[in-house]
Amino acid sequence: AQRVTQPEKLLSVFKGAPVELKCNYSYSGSPELFWYVQYSRQRLQLLLRHISRESIKGFTADLNKGETSFHLKKPFAQEEDSAMYYCALIHGSSNTGKLIFGQGTTLQVKP
Amino acid sequence: DTAVSQTPKYLVTQMGNDKSIKCEQNLGHDTMYWYKQDSKKFLKIMFSYNNKELIINETVPNRFSPKSPDKAHLNLHINSLELGDSAVYFCASSHNGESRQFFGPGTRLTVL
Repeated sequence: AQRVTQPEKLLSVFKGAPVELKCNYSYSGSPELFWYVQYSRQRLQLLLRHISRESIKGFTADLNKGETSFHLKKPFAQEEDSAMYYCALIHGSSNTGKLIFGQGTTLQVKP
Repeated sequence: DTAVSQTPKYLVTQMGNDKSIKCEQNLGHDTMYWYKQDSKKFLKIMFSYNNKELIINETVPNRFSPKSPDKAHLNLHINSLELGDSAVYFCASSHNGESRQFFGPGTRLTVL
């Protein structure tokens, strides 16, 4: 069965510290994976997706098929990174499939 | 502004009532979705429409009925509201050939 697991409900770090938000998935076939972010009182928005292989706001994520992981990393956390982060995969065709979300991880960056 | 919009933003109602949430997108997208975010912030797909046709219907009580009058609108009607329906409901849309989904601001439904 397709599933996304984010083991940490809350991750608290100090400003300037490295951040790694963990995401593991279970999917038969080639997954398409995403990280979405929800800042306080804002809508959910795409942060990055594995097919783009890009870095957004200093965040990167690499798909590791051997470990079935898609961890989100940033070398130096900023206070404005505090938000709820969701890892997700698309199930079904890319353009009409449903997003399956992990449970979400709240990142708290302390000054 | 090009975006996905939802009305109302907040909805407080009594158990047993019937209510609707509206969603509109002016992005020219072909597919629209409804997601439910529960009190533990867990997000789950409810429905999806592509060009006004229902393509995803998860295990949702039949008190929930989506309606898509045209491909820019996807409304959600809920009959006989229950306490467990309290949640934030997010609408989203995507363009054919694109996997990225754009989300609305959410509607916080509170059933008393």
